[in-house]
Amino acid sequence: EAGVAQSPRYKIIEKRQSVAFWCNPISGHATLYWYQQILGQGPKLLIQFQNNGVVDDSQLPKDRFSAERLKGVDSTLKIQPAKLEDSAVYLCASSFTEAEQYFGPGTRLTVT
Amino acid sequence: GQQVMQIPQYQHVQEGEDFTTYCNSSTTLSNIQWYKQRPGGHPVFLIQLVKSGEVKKQKRLTFQFGEAKKNSSLHITATQTTDVGTYFCAVSGNTPLVFGKGTRLSVIA
Repeated sequence: EAGVAQSPRYKIIEKRQSVAFWCNPISGHATLYWYQQILGQGPKLLIQFQNNGVVDDSQLPKDRFSAERLKGVDSTLKIQPAKLEDSAVYLCASSFTEAEQYFGPGTRLTVT
Repeated sequence: GQQVMQIPQYQHVQEGEDFTTYCNSSTTLSNIQWYKQRPGGHPVFLIQLVKSGEVKKQKRLTFQFGEAKKNSSLHITATQTTDVGTYFCAVSGNTPLVFGKGTRLSVIA
């Protein structure tokens, strides 16, 4: 069974630039999550989708972050414009139910 | 919002020693999950606990959910170098899953 795919794996941008991350969940997983993990911290949920609907986005900084899952399968997370404090690993996870989550390898973002 | 505290933040053990990490919440939890993240890797699901007082074992790992469903522990017997990593609890109450800050385990051979 293929795991959660994410791209790119690494990205370096300057502050005020924009960036987009892509995630393809495990086939059949209706729930998709985007997390932000800052070095030394646990993952922080940014947004949770159930199929193509948003379940929770209470911690998504909506003035600069956006996410979509138009066809209920893969998803993109965008940051525009980026700030220095956005430097982190962005993890995508998926689950069949709201139980165990399967994480992708993450995208390491560095904002300079 | 949901708060969860994990202790200790770091633990260094000699190979063969036991290790325990604790996860505490001020509110009653629906369930708790445990994940392991190897250095440079991504979190990997270990287990979910749902019932009050539940105890589950996976080889050398023992997971326990408190009677009041406000705390949990993960105990590793006779640690090995393969146990190195950060162990996170993730809790669910009336909010989506919230991860603790983790306990970073290092094992000295």
